[in-house]
Formats: sequence, structure tokens, C-alpha cells
Amino acid sequence: KAGVTQTPRYLIKTRGQQVTLSCSPISGHRSVSWYQQTPGQGLQFLFEYFSETQRNKGNFPGRFSGRQFSNSRSEMNVSTLELGDSALYLCASSLDLAAQETQYFGPGTRLLVL
Amino acid sequence: AQSVTQLDSQVPVFEEAPVELRCNYSSSVSVYLFWYVQYPNQGLQLLLKYLSGSTLVKSINGFEAEFNKSQTSFHLRKPSVHISDTAEYFCAVSALSGGSYIPTFGRGTSLIVHP
Repeated sequence: KAGVTQTPRYLIKTRGQQVTLSCSPISGHRSVSWYQQTPGQGLQFLFEYFSETQRNKGNFPGRFSGRQFSNSRSEMNVSTLELGDSALYLCASSLDLAAQETQYFGPGTRLLVL
Repeated sequence: AQSVTQLDSQVPVFEEAPVELRCNYSSSVSVYLFWYVQYPNQGLQLLLKYLSGSTLVKSINGFEAEFNKSQTSFHLRKPSVHISDTAEYFCAVSALSGGSYIPTFGRGTSLIVHP
């Protein structure tokens, strides 16, 4: 079975721009979660999507949004980029809601904001 | 807000020695506990998890962790480490918050195994 894939792997943007990151979960997985990983804050939960609905949300501003499609693929959007948004963005998929399930992580998208 | 504390950012140890990676969490409500491992240049992968039942959980590669509710801890142990265990280890807690389970990760502990 193919693992979780994320595209693109690397991105460079400038302040004020917006960016869209994509995540394809493992086949059959219905939940997709997004995380931001930085050296200063560690791994922080952004949101979780299940059956095309956002089920959980972390403590991030509204500039961070996402969606999930009927095939469980998910996209994450960050608008009006700030320097502090530079991070590794990780996507994880699980069979069901992630609370008790094993999450399978993708390799991440490394975003650099200049 | 829930917090997860991994007390050691780095743990150097010699091969075949025992190791303990410490994890404490703040939530006192129903929790699910996880340890993830990230090998160099790879993504995070689950090592073991506690959902309910026996407080001692084990992984297939010799790691074990014990859920201690009174001390709100979930320390990871291995009696004899190998060079290949060198990796970053993350403790994670899913706790009920506002009707949903929100996952919180610790900052990670870098286990460095020396020959």
C-alpha cells in the first residue's frame, strides 16, 4: 500500500502571498490531520478532517484553512503568509478519527517564507 | 490547555545500555497516549500506544511504556538499546477538549546511541 504523500515537498514564498499544500492519504483512510512543526514550538496540531468535514481544530488563526475531498485527499491553505509560518507541514492519515487511531505521517512540505 | 512535557531534549547512551525517555502530561481527563519515532530523514511512525486496559504496553522492537495515571506519566523504556534506535522520539496525548479529542505532542527527545 502506498504511504501518505504530500506535495510539493519544498516551497519558497514571500510575505503576503498564499500557499496551498496537498496531502493524499493511505487508500481507505478517511481521516486526515495537519500539523505544523517548527524548532521553537515543536509539533502543533492544525486541524483534522473526516468525511469532508472539519472535526477538530487547533489554536491557529483563521489564515490557516483546509478542506477534504470525497476521495479523502486534503488540501491546506495559508493566506497572507508571515515569516513565522516558515515550518515543516506534516499531514497524517488514519482509518477513523485520529483520537485512538494510529496516524501515518507523510514526509512533509517544507515552507520557507521570505 | 493540555501540555506534554518531554523532560530531556537529548539522551546519549551507550549501545546495550538501558534507556528511559520521560513524558509527563497535564490533562487529568480521559486520555489516549502515544509514542512516535522519527528516524533520520524519515516521517514519524507509531511506536506504541495506550488506549485502555493494561497500563504496560509494548512495541515489537523491545520498547515498552507504562501509563501512570496518578503521576500523569507515560515513560518509554528499553532494557538494551541498539545503534539503530538512534532517532527522535515524540510523546503524544489525545485528550478530550470541548467535546473533541485534540492531539498534543511533546517537543521530542533525541536518543543518541553510541557504540
